Amino acid sequence: GQNIDQPTEMTATEGAIVQINCTYQTSGFNGLFWYQQHAGEAPTFLSYNVLDGLEEKGRFSSFLSRSKGYSYLLLKELQMKDSASYLCAVRAGGGNKLTFGTGTQLKVEL
Amino acid sequence: DGGITQSPKYLFRKEGQNVTLSCEQNLNHDAMYWYRQDPGQGLRLIYYSQIVNDFQKGDIAEGYSVSREKKESFPLTVTSAQKNPTAFYLCASSRQGTDSGANVLTFGAGSRLTVL
Repeated sequence: GQNIDQPTEMTATEGAIVQINCTYQTSGFNGLFWYQQHAGEAPTFLSYNVLDGLEEKGRFSSFLSRSKGYSYLLLKELQMKDSASYLCAVRAGGGNKLTFGTGTQLKVEL
Repeated sequence: DGGITQSPKYLFRKEGQNVTLSCEQNLNHDAMYWYRQDPGQGLRLIYYSQIVNDFQKGDIAEGYSVSREKKESFPLTVTSAQKNPTAFYLCASSRQGTDSGANVLTFGAGSRLTVL
């Protein structure tokens, strides 16, 4: 099976930088995804890492270390609208089945 | 605009009744999925289908059934055998491929089922 861990809640200040960590244990790793989900809405895709290193997309960046089973999502210049749940998901083996973590609820304050 | 449509958005049913949730996509995606989301838990995979007329059980398929008669449609039936059916149900789809955009899940807006 797969085990994915991420913090339950985080709080940060508008304009600041926040890093949300995700650790995983799996065999046949084949990619890690980050999704953003506002309350009561559908998750939306943020980033995808399959090789080690940093992927940057505007204010959002995601990092992966396959040897450590570790990823983080970095959000810069935080805005109030960034208050949401951030879901880490791992794909393993063939096919496209994703296993999701429980999500990190981020609260951005003034 | 292409996307995934789930209906109904909210549904109330009495215990012991079967209920079917609709999921339609016009993205021309081959693969479709059903996830269930409960408070404090991650999304859990119920069923998925990678091609028409074929589907596989996910991690929590008991008490659920699906069909995939058309590429665009992947309805989920929550049967009376499902012991805790009250949840938020999310349908998703993805295209096959090896480029970076392939296999990214696009989600519908969800259906919230409450069993009274």
